[in-house]
This record gives sequence, structure tokens and C-alpha cells, in this order.
Amino acid sequence: NAGVTQTPKFRILKIGQSMTLQCAQDMNHNYMYWYRQDPGMGLKLIYYSVGAGITDKGEVPNGYNVSRSTTEDFPLRLELAAPSQTSVYFCASSYPGLARELFFGEGSRLTVL
Amino acid sequence: AQTVTQSQPEMSVQEAETVTLSCTYDTSESDYYLFWYKQPPSRQMILVIRQEAYKQQNATENRFSVNFQKAAKSFSLKISDSQLGDAAMYFCAYRSEGSGNTPLVFGKGTRLSVIA
Repeated sequence: NAGVTQTPKFRILKIGQSMTLQCAQDMNHNYMYWYRQDPGMGLKLIYYSVGAGITDKGEVPNGYNVSRSTTEDFPLRLELAAPSQTSVYFCASSYPGLARELFFGEGSRLTVL
Repeated sequence: AQTVTQSQPEMSVQEAETVTLSCTYDTSESDYYLFWYKQPPSRQMILVIRQEAYKQQNATENRFSVNFQKAAKSFSLKISDSQLGDAAMYFCAYRSEGSGNTPLVFGKGTRLSVIA
């Protein structure tokens, strides 16, 4: 059971470059999320999706875009990378419902130089 | 907006001893869930325990238990018989009824060291 799979695990970008972080889950979860974790900080929500074709902004959406064309996949696009986007990015998924835990991927460490 | 505060950036405990990690939160909602997640050096986020606001009984999972004080908006995690494998970042998180499916709001975390 793969769970939530993120690729790549590590990436170095130059300022102004663009890239896509991939996220796939095989648990048939409706809900998917992207968080970023800066050093010494908790996780901050970037975008989330409650189902295919539906996405919503989180706390820190600027500089990012997402799409949800299938239940399984939820890619995060970084346009015009900036040093402030240096962070560890986590994708997560869950079933609907308050009690439902989030299942996380292993994270993707992105450095923008 | 809901906020979650973990006032202890770092804690340490001797192996086999007990440690309590603090968490407070701010909300005007009546129904919500609280969670503790563990993040070891591998970065993998692992659910430790969860508590529903309507349940007065404190949740327990083996060596992990919570002290949930709804009126005080406090949700501390107690780890008994600490083991070396408990060393990790611990995050408190909140999820409200709100729209019914709101994402988790996380605190900044507490780094726990276990001393052999």
C-alpha cells in the first residue's frame, strides 16, 4: 500500500524557474492538501481540494497553483520561484469528516537559489 | 481564524520518565477535533492521538494520553515511559466543524529529546 507519494524528494531551483511537485494517493481519498513547513515553524496550508475539479486557497497560496483533474493526483505548481519558497512541502489526503486523520507523504525539500 | 499555540519549542526527558507537551488553541466553535502528530527525523508525519471536543473522557493510546480542558482550551500530550524512539517534533493540530471539512491548523511544534 503506497499511501501518499510525492516526487521529487529533493530539488534545487534557480530564481525565476518553474516546477511542479507531484502528489498521488491510492487510498481513494476525496480530500487532498498541500502544506509547507519552514524551519522552526508548523505546517501552513497552501491549497486544498475536496474532490476532482474543486480547489480552494489556504493560508499561503501566493506563488502557487494547483489542479485536481482526478481523485488520485494533486500537483502543486510553482511559477517564477523565489527564495521565500525554499521550504519542505507536504502533500496529504483524507476522507471527509472531522475525525478523519490526514495521511502525509514524505515531503519534498525545495531550495531556491 | 483559529490558532494553535505550542509554547515549548524544545523539551527533554530521561528515558523511562514521563513528559508533558503543552498546547492551547483559540476557537469560537463548539465542535472540533484536536490531534497530536509526531514527526521523526525521517520527516514522516504520524498521527499519535486524537480527541473530539464533545467527549469529556481524555483519549489514550498506549503510552500516550491527553489532558483535554475544553473551558481552558488546552490540549496537552503526556508521554509515559519515554523511549528513545519518541524523540521527534510533536505538532498539535485543530480541525473545526466549520464547513464540515476544514483542513488542519497546526501549531509550531515542540522538539522532544529523549536522554538515555
